[in-house]
Amino acid sequence: KQEVTQIPAALSVPEGENLVLNCSFTDSAIYNLQWFRQDPGKGLTSLLLIQSSQREQTSGRLNASLDKSSGRSTLYIAASQPGDSATYLCAVHYTGTASKLTFGTGTRLQVTL
Amino acid sequence: DVKVTQSSRYLVKRTGEKVFLECVQDMDHENMFWYRQDPGLGLRLIYFSYDVKMKEKGDIPEGYSVSREKKERFSLILESASTNQTSMYLCASSLGAMNYNEQFFGPGTRLTVL
Repeated sequence: KQEVTQIPAALSVPEGENLVLNCSFTDSAIYNLQWFRQDPGKGLTSLLLIQSSQREQTSGRLNASLDKSSGRSTLYIAASQPGDSATYLCAVHYTGTASKLTFGTGTRLQVTL
Repeated sequence: DVKVTQSSRYLVKRTGEKVFLECVQDMDHENMFWYRQDPGLGLRLIYFSYDVKMKEKGDIPEGYSVSREKKERFSLILESASTNQTSMYLCASSLGAMNYNEQFFGPGTRLTVL
């Protein structure tokens, strides 16, 4: 079964810390992997999309890596700020699934002052 | 920037009512999706559409139908709302290209069925 897992479910860090969020997937046959941010009661905001042929993507303080062979992606957040507090979701587009994404259940991040 | 809008942020309906949730995107995307999100269950796909008048069932289509008469608009219909359909409903869209299908989401509709 094609699944996506995110561990831990929740994380609390002090402001300024660099942190890594993890995403694992069960099948290396993917088109791409997408990271999202969701604030409470809001929709999802796309952060980064990594194609299967890419190793990483960067946007500002965010860097996402992809290792298909091990079925893992990480989202690195540099110099965390209280405004980074949100739930972070990863989603995988597995081949053979039309345009559907398979979502993880997310990591809820709190950055404290 | 891609913009996906949903007709309501909050909606309260009674059991048995017919409910329409509307979604509009402004980037000429071929694909549109309806999800529901519940605590502990994550995002679950209800229906998606890859072209006008085309639709496919997602993982939990029971109790729902959809309509896509125009490319930019995708409607989710609850024929007879029930309390177990109380949820956050999220619409998304993406280009049709299989190898580049970044999904963009709307702000969500919080539906409560009493």
